[in-house]
Amino acid sequence: DVKVTQSSRYLVKRTGEKVFLECVQDMDHENMFWYRQDPGLGLRLIYFSYDVKMKEKGDIPEGYSVSREKKERFSLILESASTNQTSMYLCASSAMGSPLHFGNGTRLTVT
Amino acid sequence: AQTVTQSQPEMSVQEAETVTLSCTYDTSESDYYLFWYKQPPSRQMILVIRQEAYKQQNATENRFSVNFQKAAKSFSLKISDSQLGDAAMYFCAYRRSGGAQKLVFGQGTRLTINP
Repeated sequence: DVKVTQSSRYLVKRTGEKVFLECVQDMDHENMFWYRQDPGLGLRLIYFSYDVKMKEKGDIPEGYSVSREKKERFSLILESASTNQTSMYLCASSAMGSPLHFGNGTRLTVT
Repeated sequence: AQTVTQSQPEMSVQEAETVTLSCTYDTSESDYYLFWYKQPPSRQMILVIRQEAYKQQNATENRFSVNFQKAAKSFSLKISDSQLGDAAMYFCAYRRSGGAQKLVFGQGTRLTINP
């Protein structure tokens, strides 16, 4: 069974801190994604990657960056956290043409 | 850009009854995929059902079925014999065929099951 693991379930950070959200998948998937989930807005794509060191902006990339140095790991970086980045963050992975598999999410609070 | 709209923020149904969740989408593509995902309180996103746009037959998975109306760009989910474990957020999602594999999601519908 595909496993997508997000390093933290809950995270509390202060405004201005640099924040790393880590995601690891164990199925050798080419594609990895970071989504943000907010009530009434559903899931919105922040960034995705279709290969090592490759990345593409999603719909709301402002304030975020990503890193994919190894195929199994996709990191989301908040360079300077702000209160409007308080949200649920979901990582997902997929093989080409296959459905997405999601992690359990990280609930980030920025105070 | 493709968009997905779920117009029902909340729905409720009596246990053992049938409920239908609505979803509409907008795209200029002719070949694409549509999905329904379930997110229970555990937060784990679970794929419920998938529909390929080129297939006219509506997808079915046990108690879950869809009504896919391609011309109307409508993709509703019917849950029959509702069970307490069906209580969750339900998200409709779209993905174009080929190219980037990213999903576009709707706003979600929170489904409550009344015992």
